[in-house]
This record gives sequence, structure tokens and C-alpha cells, in this order.
Amino acid sequence: EAQVTQNPRYLITVTGKKLTVTCSQNMNHEYMSWYRQDPGLGLRQIYYSMNVEVTDKGDVPEGYKVSRKEKRNFPLILESPSPNQTSLYFCASSPGSLGGYTFGSGTRLTVV
Amino acid sequence: GEDVEQSLFLSVREGDSSVINCTYTDSSSTYLYWYKQEPGAGLQLLTYIFSNMDMKQDQRLTVLLNKKDKHLSLRIADTQTGDSAIYFCAEFQLSRDDKIIFGKGTRLHILP
Repeated sequence: EAQVTQNPRYLITVTGKKLTVTCSQNMNHEYMSWYRQDPGLGLRQIYYSMNVEVTDKGDVPEGYKVSRKEKRNFPLILESPSPNQTSLYFCASSPGSLGGYTFGSGTRLTVV
Repeated sequence: GEDVEQSLFLSVREGDSSVINCTYTDSSSTYLYWYKQEPGAGLQLLTYIFSNMDMKQDQRLTVLLNKKDKHLSLRIADTQTGDSAIYFCAEFQLSRDDKIIFGKGTRLHILP
């Protein structure tokens, strides 16, 4: 089944403890992206990648890192999480930047 | 402005038609999308329309595009309880480095 898989689905962590949210797609898509969804703010793009080893900042990149060493994987790294990064995170992929995204099921992160 | 605007809530009786409206900003937008988010799930691409089209129909879904007013609508015929979700409008903005910009979403509530 064509899908985007994120792990974990739920995560509670403490301020400052590094964490990684994994994202993997099995559709050979070139374009991958991370979003955060917050009440009243909708979806905001954190980082995106147009191909292997090519990443760029979205609208809210501060406090996050990404890497794209392989086409299928696009992990999101929080080096020192803070409470304002408590949010619902989505990974998405598409064949190209024109959209038609396939989204993962989301990761609900709570930083205390 | 650069926002995609949607009303936040819509209530519709089961069996009636739902019309969800959206205004976008970039006159050079090439693709416009509608996504559906069910509770606890990621966004699912429902349909899209290319900017040289006025209308697109797919079973119970009809998308209307008014380029002059930069207005996009999604009509769901014979609304059912399974249509209860948040619906996101999105545009592909050529003028913003080929970014996909999402609206904040319209929560559709189905009345019995």
C-alpha cells in the first residue's frame, strides 16, 4: 500500500531532550515536507526537500533540523525541544512540488 | 495578503448539499486543492483543479473556480455523516518559490 509512515504517533518528552520523528515513504516521491498543525494557525511548513541532499526552510524552521540522505526517509530532529514545539506534526510527500501530497497519520508531540 | 481564507465552521443537515468556500491570493496559482482531515488522521487529497478550468466534478464532489474573484468552492452533494471532517483549501503559489499554501480549514458538522 502506498503510504507515508511516521513514528512515533504520540510522544511526551521533557524540555531539552533531543528527539527524532521518523518519516518514510514507499512511493519513490522526490518531494517531502514537514508541517506542524496548531489550533487557529492551520498548517505551517517547517522544512521541505526537493530531492536527496536538497533541503530548504519552510515558514517556521527555528528549532528544527532535517536530513535527506535517502529518497524514502526524511526525519525531523528537535535538538533541544521546548514547550512551544508542542504540536501535531505531519510528514507529506509528492511526486513533485506541485502538490497532490500524501500525508502521514501525524505525530502528536508534547514537550513539558 | 498571502493567506488562503476559509470560514472556520459549517453545519449542514444530513442529505443536504454542503458548500465550502475559499479565497486565494495568487493570480498565478496553477493548481488548487481540497484536502479532507478526519479526526486523528492526516490530510487526504480529495480533489484538485487546474487554473484553466472552471469546474470539476467527481461523484458527489463539485469544485467551482472563479478566477476573477480568486474564489474556490467545494460542493458535497447528499452530505453524509462520514463527510464530517475538516476541509482544507490549498494553492500552489508560483510567486512564493513554488510553495503550497494551506487555508486554516473548515470544520464540517453534520446535523441529523
